[in-house]
Amino acid sequence: SQTIHQWPATLVQPVGSPLSLECTVEGTSNPNLYWYRQAAGRGLQLLFYSVGIGQISSEVPQNLSASRPQDRQFILSSKKLLLSDSGFYLCAWNNRRAYEQYFGPGTRLTVT
Amino acid sequence: GNSVTQMEGPVTLSEEAFLTINCTYTATGYPSLFWYVQYPGEGLQLLLKATKADDKGSNKGFEATYRKETTSFHLEKGSVQVSDSAVYFCALGTDKLIFGTGTRLQVFP
Repeated sequence: SQTIHQWPATLVQPVGSPLSLECTVEGTSNPNLYWYRQAAGRGLQLLFYSVGIGQISSEVPQNLSASRPQDRQFILSSKKLLLSDSGFYLCAWNNRRAYEQYFGPGTRLTVT
Repeated sequence: GNSVTQMEGPVTLSEEAFLTINCTYTATGYPSLFWYVQYPGEGLQLLLKATKADDKGSNKGFEATYRKETTSFHLEKGSVQVSDSAVYFCALGTDKLIFGTGTRLQVFP
């Protein structure tokens, strides 16, 4: 069966520091991968998605970036964090033949 | 464009009450429809889905019917439990997945 991992689970970082969040998927190949952000008490905002290694589409211009160095690995990065980057970051995957997405456990980021 | 509208929360119910969370959509073509549930501090879990008109998705006592004539996919459960307290998201799948804003359900004993 397929599983999706995210780490770290929680992170507290000062303003201006760099960020790296990692997501990996097991049990499938060639998945579509997604990064979402959820602000406190709010809905989901799609940040990036990827249909293959090195292929990244950005949905919202901001100081975040994403990379996909391997088929089942998706990384969210920032060079300098802002207070507004605080939130709950969710990674998700689906296969090419279905719309439903499967989510990881999330990373809670607090920028201080 | 494609969009999903959910009822505002929170929805507050006593245990064993009947639940309805409304969801309507706007879409071209024939989208798939989904309900996701998010428990506190966790990621989203797929609760149920329907892929064509008149399909009924069901899971864990929850049901939703794909109504093309009313462009709706309302979530229902006959008897809620305290453990059902969570945020519920309606979603529409076309070329990508579009989520509603979520509805918080609070069930009290």
